[in-house]
Amino acid sequence: NAGVTQTPKFQVLKTGQSMTLQCAQDMNHNSMYWYRQDPGMGLRLIYYSASEGTTDKGEVPNGYNVSRLNKREFSLRLESAAPSQTSVYFCASSEQPPVARLPQHFGDGTRLSIL
Amino acid sequence: AQTVTQSQPEMSVQEAETVTLSCTYDTSESDYYLFWYKQPPSRQMILVIRQEAYKQQNATENRFSVNFQKAAKSFSLKISDSQLGDAAMYFCAYVGTGNQFYFGTGTSLTVIP
Repeated sequence: NAGVTQTPKFQVLKTGQSMTLQCAQDMNHNSMYWYRQDPGMGLRLIYYSASEGTTDKGEVPNGYNVSRLNKREFSLRLESAAPSQTSVYFCASSEQPPVARLPQHFGDGTRLSIL
Repeated sequence: AQTVTQSQPEMSVQEAETVTLSCTYDTSESDYYLFWYKQPPSRQMILVIRQEAYKQQNATENRFSVNFQKAAKSFSLKISDSQLGDAAMYFCAYVGTGNQFYFGTGTSLTVIP
């Protein structure tokens, strides 16, 4: 019972490099989410996908792109990394309504540092 | 946008005592959900308790309970008989009619043996 799996767990990039964070869930959830967590800021939603084939911007989407590859996978891409994107990134998934609209299952996070 | 405020960056409690973490939120919606999440040093986010806004009864999960005051837009978490394993960062979260939701900035709870 893997739940939500994120890869990699740690990554260091140079400014301007690109990178894709991978996320997969094996719970047959329809909705998936990407967050970033910064000290003193809580978790902020970057993008989410309510169902396969749809994606929507969250609170802080600038500098990111996402792909809902299939029902299981939801990737987050940084096209040109900037130091301001240094953060811990969490992927999450949730079930259909009425328990949807909030992730109940989180991955272990990816610590990303941009130099 | 809705906002969620946790005014206590840090709290501490003696083992076996009770502690209350506060959370307030701002919304014009009538239908929403509120949650408390726990994040231990392992970074894993763990759902502690949830409350549907239409329910007047306060949610309870073992040693965890909430005091939900809808008119005051307040959603506090009470931890009874605190244990060392309760030490973590606690986040309050709100989700309304859309798929977006909002977290507070967190309260770091220390449990003193």
